[in-house]
Amino acid sequence: EAGVAQSPRYKIIEKRQSVAFWCNPISGHATLYWYQQILGQGPKLLIQFQNNGVVDDSQLPKDRFSAERLKGVDSTLKIQPAKLEDSAVYLCASSFRTSGSGEQYFGPGTRLTVT
Amino acid sequence: AQSVTQPDIHITVSEGASLELRCNYSYGATPYLFWYVQSPGQGLQLLLKYFSGDTLVQGIKGFEAEFKRSQSSFNLRKPSVHWSDAAEYFCAVAPGYQGGKLIFGQGTELSVKP
Repeated sequence: EAGVAQSPRYKIIEKRQSVAFWCNPISGHATLYWYQQILGQGPKLLIQFQNNGVVDDSQLPKDRFSAERLKGVDSTLKIQPAKLEDSAVYLCASSFRTSGSGEQYFGPGTRLTVT
Repeated sequence: AQSVTQPDIHITVSEGASLELRCNYSYGATPYLFWYVQSPGQGLQLLLKYFSGDTLVQGIKGFEAEFKRSQSSFNLRKPSVHWSDAAEYFCAVAPGYQGGKLIFGQGTELSVKP
């Protein structure tokens, strides 16, 4: 079974530029999560999708971050414009169920450096 | 609000020695509890989880964890550490209601001395 795929693996941009990350979850997983992991911290949820609907985006900085999952499969996360504090690893995860007992499978992450 | 605390930022143990990583959570009810491991440049891998029932849970790679409700703790243990266990370990909690998001601790970095 293929795992969660993410691209690119690494990205370096200058502040005020825009960037997009892509995630392909495990086949059949209805729930998709984007987490932000700043160096030295644990991951923090940015947004959660159930199929193509948003379940939780309470911690997404909506003035600069956006995410979509149009067909209920792949997802993209965009930052525009980027700030220095956005430097982090962006992790995508998917699960079969939305409830708390649903095990989440994580992709390798995209490491973003904003200079 | 729910929170997870991992008091130890960095731990060093000798290969073959026992290991215990501490985790305390703050939540009004019994949450779902998880331990994940992250190797450099890798995503997070689930070691074990606790939902209900037996408070001592077994996981992969010889790890186990014990849920103690009275102490709001879910400590991770391994009787004999291998050099390949060097990594970052994260404790996480998921509220038991519909939602599923994980709230992570800040992580404990494990180094293994030969």
